[in-house]
Order: sequence, then structure tokens, then C-alpha cells
Amino acid sequence: TQLLEQSPQFLSIQEGENLTVYCNSSSVFSSLQWYRQEPGEGPVLLVTVVTGGEVKKLKRLTFQFGDARKDSSLHITAAQTGDTGLYLCAGAWGATNKLIFGTGTLLAVQP
Amino acid sequence: SQTIHQWPATLVQPVGSPLSLECTVEGTSNPNLYWYRQAAGRGLQLLFYSVGIGQISSEVPQNLSASRPQDRQFILSSKKLLLSDSGFYLCAWSPGQRPNQPQHFGDGTRLSIL
Repeated sequence: TQLLEQSPQFLSIQEGENLTVYCNSSSVFSSLQWYRQEPGEGPVLLVTVVTGGEVKKLKRLTFQFGDARKDSSLHITAAQTGDTGLYLCAGAWGATNKLIFGTGTLLAVQP
Repeated sequence: SQTIHQWPATLVQPVGSPLSLECTVEGTSNPNLYWYRQAAGRGLQLLFYSVGIGQISSEVPQNLSASRPQDRQFILSSKKLLLSDSGFYLCAWSPGQRPNQPQHFGDGTRLSIL
């Protein structure tokens, strides 16, 4: 059974701080996607990383895919209150585009 | 542009009653379609996925079923709801036939069983 463990599960920080969220698995994925979800809404895609070792930046967010394509990290620089939400990683495999979702990291950024 | 509609947004049902949640996609053809359930503040559990009309794959044994009567319509059903069926249900689509595609989600249905 494929599992994606995210850490930490909960994170409460002050505005302006930096943070890193980790997404780990023993399985190899063809790609790793990161989503952000707000209460009462569906997840929204932030980024897809495909190549082992790949680093992608989206403004203050930096995403990295592990060399072995089993893990990923999301680093946020100078967090803002608007970054508050549930962050989900998801691993893709096979032709059906099925995703295995991680356990989630609930981020609260305090003003 | 593509859009996905899911309804109702909230639903309160008694134990033992039937269920029908509907999801439709606009602006694309032959999408892959998915139903997920999510516990509060946690990840998503894939319930069903479909790569075409009438083609449904079930991921976990449960009290629910899914159908795809039209290319862009996906329905989640139950004949008799259980208390354990409470949760947040999400429908999603992705472009078919291509790997590593993102999934696009509806806004979900909050289902409460009394």
C-alpha cells in the first residue's frame, strides 16, 4: 500500500517566519503535486514536480522533489496570513492519473 | 475554460436514507473523474475513479457506489446511509490519456448523517 506521510501535521507560526513542510514515502512516484485547500473548498493545485531533484519556485514558495522521486518538501519564506490553509502533497503513478494524497499539514499564520 | 460543479454544498440525511451526489464538468471531453472523501483537516481518500462512460473502479469497499451515465457526469450514491458515511465529499477531474496531470476539484459536499 502506498502511503504519503506529511510532517508536521499542524503548524502555527507568526507572520514573517519561514517554514518547511515534508512529504515522505517509500514508494516512487512519476510526479508529485502540491495543493492548498481552504475551509469548505476543494484543493487547488500549486505546483507539479516531475524530475528527481527538481526545484520549482512560486513567489515565496519553493518546492523540491527528492532525487529518488520518493519525497518532496515545500518551503515558505516570510509567511503571510494569506498562506493559512491545509497543504496537501499528492503522488501520481500509472496512466489513470490516480493520486495518493498525503496526510496533510494544517498551517496557521498569525498576524 | 473548464469548470466543475458539485452539488449540493451541504446535506443532512437520516441513517438508512438514500444518497445521490452529482458532479458535472464543462469545457472538456473524455475527462478522468474521481470521488474522494476527506476527514476534517486531513488528506483525501480516493473512493472511485472513472476513465470513461460506464467505467467505474472502486478503491475501497464501502456502502457507496458511483455511476457515470454521461461523459461529463459523475454520480455518487448509496441505498442506505450509515453514520460512518458522514464527511466531506469531493469530485475532481483530470485530462484523460496523459500522465502527471493535475486534478481539478469541485467545492465539495458536506454530508452529515443523523
